[in-house]
Amino acid sequence: DIQMTQSPSSLSASVGDRVTITCQASQDISNYLNWYQQKPGKAPKLLIYDASNLETGVPSRFSGSGSGTDFTFTISSLQPEDFATYYCQQYDNLLTFGQGTKLEIK
Amino acid sequence: QVQLVQSGAEVKKPGASVKVSCKPSGYTFTSYFLHWVRQAPGQGLEWMGVINPRDGSRSYAQRFQGRITLTRDTSTSIVYMELSSLRSEDTAVYYCARTRVIFESRKGFDYWGQGTLVAVSS
Repeated sequence: DIQMTQSPSSLSASVGDRVTITCQASQDISNYLNWYQQKPGKAPKLLIYDASNLETGVPSRFSGSGSGTDFTFTISSLQPEDFATYYCQQYDNLLTFGQGTKLEIK
Repeated sequence: QVQLVQSGAEVKKPGASVKVSCKPSGYTFTSYFLHWVRQAPGQGLEWMGVINPRDGSRSYAQRFQGRITLTRDTSTSIVYMELSSLRSEDTAVYYCARTRVIFESRKGFDYWGQGTLVAVSS
């Protein structure tokens, strides 16, 4: 199975900050990686697909990059509605989620 | 509009089985693969398996092999997830989710069900 190591597991930041989350795959997954946002009590929402493509309707302050084993997710300027938990997901071989990053208000 | 509507909460005893349904609407049932993902209380997301509603073919995460069965009923356009030999660690919210690309089994999920809480307790 492909393991996804996401870091940090939690992060405190302020509105307006630039935030970066990383995800590392246990083997080369090309660009077969998605990023999701989940708010408490809600289903996850797809933000980025194929490592760097913004899902329709998602604000441009969200971005993703990387290929192979190392990936990065960035929010360029945090907004109040962005405080949530973020997950990476590989789909090169079946599917696996990272452990999640909880983004909290500082 | 696309919707995935799941069945209601369940309470089960250890060793029992549970069967959760997911009824999509707003698109052609056989055109998109459907996945199951669970989330234990306070924990992360865990992918369980996927089914192709067109032909019923499926794949499962290794850790659920032998305990999970995904089926579909094309006459009612419903997908089912059955999990057997339940234990307390199976207490979780179970989601169905649609693959975002037509006829593709992977590539991420664009629509999700509302989630079904399954509680396992003696």
